[in-house]
Formats: sequence, C-alpha cells, structure tokens
Amino acid sequence: QQQVKQSPQSLIVQKGGISIINCAYENTAFDYFPWYQQFPGKGPALLIAIRPDVSEKKEGRFTISFNKSAKQFSLHIMDSQPGDSATYFCAASQTGANNLFFGTGTRLTVIP
Amino acid sequence: DAGVTQSPTHLIKTRGQHVTLRCSPISGHKSVSWYQQVLGQGPQFIFQYYEKEERGRGNFPDRFSARQFPNYSSELNVNALLLGDSALYLCASSLVLARSTGELFFGEGSRLTVL
Repeated sequence: QQQVKQSPQSLIVQKGGISIINCAYENTAFDYFPWYQQFPGKGPALLIAIRPDVSEKKEGRFTISFNKSAKQFSLHIMDSQPGDSATYFCAASQTGANNLFFGTGTRLTVIP
Repeated sequence: DAGVTQSPTHLIKTRGQHVTLRCSPISGHKSVSWYQQVLGQGPQFIFQYYEKEERGRGNFPDRFSARQFPNYSSELNVNALLLGDSALYLCASSLVLARSTGELFFGEGSRLTVL
C-alpha cells in the first residue's frame, strides 16, 4: 500500500511558469513532510521540508503548502527554470520512526 | 567535504548470485540508511543503522542484510538475487537518527542489474 500518493506523474511547464506537485497521505501520525529533488544519475537531495504546525513554508522560489485536515501537501515552484527539470519526490515520516515513505515521483520538464 | 560515497556505481549479476554494496557516510555522520529505488518509483526503505546497531527494517525479505562498521561505513548484502532486485540502491547518512535531524544525505547509488 502506497503510504504517500503523488501526482501528476509528469509535468511540462514553460519557463517562468508555476509548477505544482501534489501529495496526499493517510497516516495521521506523519509529522514531517520533505520534498526531494533528483537529477538523472544522482541521488535525491532535500529541497524543502515542513512540519504540520505551519500551513506554508517558503524558501526562495520553492513553497510547500500543507493542509492538515485534508491530509495533503503540495510543492509550488515559482518562476520555473530549465535547471529545475528533474524528478521531485514528496515524502513523509513520523516521530520515532526510522524511515521516510516516498511518493512515486513527478518528472518535471521546464521548456525554455 | 566528501558526500556519501557508494561503490560500485554499476554492476551486473545473474539470478541466484550474491551482491555486496558499500557505503561511506559523510564524515561525522553516525546513521546510515539503505533505500531501494526501482525505475520509475520512489525510494523504498530497507534498513537503518545507527552506532552499528540496526534501528529499523523495511518490508524486505531475509535475503537482504546489512551491517555497519566501527568507522560508520556500511554494507548491504543481497543473497539469491532475483530479477526483481534490479534497482538503484541508495545509501543515505545523517548526523544522528534521521528523524531527529529531518535530513538525509543521499549518495548517487549503486545501479544493480540482475539478468
């Protein structure tokens, strides 16, 4: 059973546009929600993360929106650039656990 | 500073063989986790080790085993390889138990192909 569901599977955005990737979870014990960026041939790298005590976190062009009641969170990439073209994974974990549950990934392509 | 290093980067095995993958964490990091990433999927947790003790295990068969050495490096062993074991195996390190810091640093992985 997929603990974290991610959509869309792929996304094409024009340069300068906004990229939006959505994730949903069922386990209400999850209390840490990171997003990872992975380029081909590389391991995932932490991009930004949020805990459920806030509804939004912004770091540069990247923003996480978190809706605790809906058990959903999303990544917004403002002013998308070709260099943002990568696969993005959402993930979730809970205090006391030793692992992250990852979504299935979204392949983002930003067209110049 | 060197990041997480993994070896080998690529390897090809046949069904039934055994494989050992190696990982050196970032200097000072005491926790190492292993994840399996099948093509087109997100990473799946296999093991976490902290201070040379197993601290967590994912839903993988007993053919998978791991250990952590006194220098905090780690090995992942897979016996009796199956075609379905073909994947990118990722090692991640963290300063303390991953959940405490909230950040895992991943290596570039070992790409295993089972024929």
